[in-house]
Amino acid sequence: GEDVEQSLFLSVREGDSSVINCTYTDSSSTYLYWYKQEPGAGLQLLTYIFSNMDMKQDQRLTVLLNKKDKHLSLRIADTQTGDSAIYFCAESMSGSARQLTFGSGTQLTVLP
Amino acid sequence: DAGITQSPRHKVTETGTPVTLRCHQTENHRYMYWYRQDPGHGLRLIHYSYGVKDTDKGEVSDGYSVSRSKTEDFLLTLESATSSQTSVYFCAGGGGSGGGASSYNEQFFGPGTRLTVL
Repeated sequence: GEDVEQSLFLSVREGDSSVINCTYTDSSSTYLYWYKQEPGAGLQLLTYIFSNMDMKQDQRLTVLLNKKDKHLSLRIADTQTGDSAIYFCAESMSGSARQLTFGSGTQLTVLP
Repeated sequence: DAGITQSPRHKVTETGTPVTLRCHQTENHRYMYWYRQDPGHGLRLIHYSYGVKDTDKGEVSDGYSVSRSKTEDFLLTLESATSSQTSVYFCAGGGGSGGGASSYNEQFFGPGTRLTVL
């Protein structure tokens, strides 16, 4: 079945890099996503990667995908206090309605 | 995404009462989704729609029903609310707006509805 797993908490110092990890089980995933949720808000799409790619970079964000190990990571360079939030990874399959399966989220705390 | 709104934003109700949550979108998304968010579970799909009057069940559909009579609106009904349905409910939309494969696979979320069942 589908299962997406993430560690629950991560703390980093301001200015350091953050790496949030995710594992998934469905090898038929087509797209993998990273969403950010700030307190009291909905989810905001940060970035995504297609399953035939190994890496995607978008400003301070770098996504790495290891299909063999079914491992996805999000690296945030020069982490700022405004990056404190919950980060969700999600996978979708090429189905009729593009349903997403989410991980439980990683709470990132950025310390001054 | 300002194109998806939810109402009400907060609701407190009693066990056994019916509750309807509304999702409204202005982006012409073809697909719409209802999720619930609970601590330790992330977001779990309740129901989704792939067109007007076309809906299907998600992972946690028991006790919920949906309706989509027009593209813009997707309603979630708790037929007889229970305390286990206390949660934050998110609506999302995707597909059909913008162009290209990436927008077709993206989901855009509403701000959420916090529901408390006493």
